[in-house]
Amino acid sequence: KAGVTQTPRYLIKTRGQQVTLSCSPISGHRSVSWYQQTPGQGLQFLFEYFSETQRNKGNFPGRFSGRQFSNSRSEMNVSTLELGDSALYLCASSLAPTAEGYTFGSGTRLTVV
Amino acid sequence: AQSVSQHNHHVILSEAASLELGCNYSYGGTVNLFWYVQYPGQHLQLLLKYFSGDPLVKGIKGFEAEFIKSKFSFNLRKPSVQWSDTAEYFCAVNARSSARQLTFGSGTQLTVLP
Repeated sequence: KAGVTQTPRYLIKTRGQQVTLSCSPISGHRSVSWYQQTPGQGLQFLFEYFSETQRNKGNFPGRFSGRQFSNSRSEMNVSTLELGDSALYLCASSLAPTAEGYTFGSGTRLTVV
Repeated sequence: AQSVSQHNHHVILSEAASLELGCNYSYGGTVNLFWYVQYPGQHLQLLLKYFSGDPLVKGIKGFEAEFIKSKFSFNLRKPSVQWSDTAEYFCAVNARSSARQLTFGSGTQLTVLP
């Protein structure tokens, strides 16, 4: 079966712009979580969606937002980009809203210049 | 809030050597524990997980981990590493009270020399 698909794979944006990242979970998976990975901070939880509802949110500013559609696909948006937002953004999906059996995508590499 | 510590940032071993990567977590309640691996250029993959029961957990590719509750530890082991085990290894914890969030350690880069 197809894995978790994240698009685009790479993105370069200018400071102050906004960006939208997309995640298509494994078919049948209804829970989608997002993580930010940086060399300095490691892997940090952004938020989790289940059945189109945000169930949990990490400690990130309001510039980071997301949503989930009825087909379980999810998007995350970052507004007013800062240089420090440069990171690998990972999406993970699971059948249910628990951490059991999370499958991660390959990520979107965002570079802010 | 929970936290995870991986004390070894970079480990270098020769092929056939034994591996043990340390992982300690800080949380007073019940937790689920995971080890993930990230091979160069690839996505995070689940190596093994512990939810309950036998504290010695066996995962894929010959890896195992032991949960020692009294020490808040979940160390990863492999009796004989191969060059293909070169990767970054992440320990993660999920507090049962916040079932939807994984807290990761900072990772350990393992380099296996042929």
